[in-house]
Amino acid sequence: QKEVEQDPGPLSVPEGAIVSLNCTYSNSAFQYFMWYRQYSRKGPELLMYTYSSGNKEDGRFTAQVDKSSKYISLFIRDSQPSDSATYLCALRYAGNMLTFGGGTRLMVKP
Amino acid sequence: EAQVTQNPRYLITVTGKKLTVTCSQNMNHEYMSWYRQDPGLGLRQIYYSMNVEVTDKGDVPEGYKVSRKEKRNFPLILESPSPNQTSLYFCASNLGYGRDTGELFFGEGSRLTVL
Repeated sequence: QKEVEQDPGPLSVPEGAIVSLNCTYSNSAFQYFMWYRQYSRKGPELLMYTYSSGNKEDGRFTAQVDKSSKYISLFIRDSQPSDSATYLCALRYAGNMLTFGGGTRLMVKP
Repeated sequence: EAQVTQNPRYLITVTGKKLTVTCSQNMNHEYMSWYRQDPGLGLRQIYYSMNVEVTDKGDVPEGYKVSRKEKRNFPLILESPSPNQTSLYFCASNLGYGRDTGELFFGEGSRLTVL
């Protein structure tokens, strides 16, 4: 079993839809939770970062962490074609580096 | 501009012909790493370096070498490339273990095809 599981998609939604992207993990030691966005032919870039359970909002994006269920989510409101990308969750615990999910490819259609 | 620069961005080569992918960062980061990205397998770490002259294996180091003679540079060397090393490669850097959020800064990627 992989440490971090993520549905590869692709996930196709119409413009304006609410998107939910998810990861599950098995190691309860993970403390830091990130979402990276990767456009085609580009390197991943940090989108959201959270440390604790709960929600963190940044514009149209909300990151949610449920440590008890070992489940993290990224919600995108009013999705735009420019949101079309691959989204990777990334987790780490103190003294270690990031462990990545496999990424979910999102397509937002005009 | 803070960035991680990789070269070449695209390369087609033949089995057994040694090649080097260069990586340079201008952020004075201590930590640097190489990943390969393959469909269905996600990002897998090849090698990493905690600082100058300190390197260690990641999850998939077979067939690769690295060196860290200067803080800013971390080249990836394929001594005898094979077709199973056809992949998209990313160099990444970070301020250092436990020094910040752990955010990795990635280069633009190098797409390698080995025939």
